[in-house]
Amino acid sequence: NAGVTQTPKFQVLKTGQSMTLQCAQDMNHEYMSWYRQDPGMGLRLIHYSVGAGITDQGEVPNGYNVSRSTTEDFPLRLLSAAPSQTSVYFCASSYGGTVRGGYTFGSGTRLTVV
Amino acid sequence: DAKTTQPPSMDCAEGRAANLPCNHSTISGNEYVYWYRQIHSQGPQYIIHGLKNNETNEMASLIITEDRKSSTLILPHATLRDTAVYYCIVRVHSGGSNYKLTFGKGTLLTVNP
Repeated sequence: NAGVTQTPKFQVLKTGQSMTLQCAQDMNHEYMSWYRQDPGMGLRLIHYSVGAGITDQGEVPNGYNVSRSTTEDFPLRLLSAAPSQTSVYFCASSYGGTVRGGYTFGSGTRLTVV
Repeated sequence: DAKTTQPPSMDCAEGRAANLPCNHSTISGNEYVYWYRQIHSQGPQYIIHGLKNNETNEMASLIITEDRKSSTLILPHATLRDTAVYYCIVRVHSGGSNYKLTFGKGTLLTVNP
């Protein structure tokens, strides 16, 4: 049981490049979400999904796209990377609807945009 | 959205109880209080959650006041490995079966030898 797996762990991008951060979970969780964490800050919600085919925006969605074609995967796409997107990105998943415990977080992707 | 207020930092002696306070005075009747912690730069780790009643698990206890406007996370015997940032979060219902967790800046708990 791997939990929530994020790849890559580290990435350096040039301004204007695009890339996809991968997130996969093997717990059959309905809910998945993406957060970013900047130095000295708490986590801010980017996008979330309540099930396959359903996504919604969080607090800071600009510059990011998501899709949820399967229950297991929830990739985050940076369309045209900017230095302001330098951050640590965390993916999380949980059971939906009923309260059955908390979110499980991945170990993070550390992204630097130069 | 219900907001939470936590002290930015606290210290605790190893082996003693750590009591971390949280104010959530605008919480609604069906909103749960969650606690997470983040050790160094790892992903946040779920600790405990509750609605009205006090809760206890193998990691911690959660005491929620009767008016639900505040809560306290208790680590009964803090160890050096409990040094982390602790987040108090209100899980907000955002329509239908949708819920969101909104993190603040949390409390940096430092456990001293």
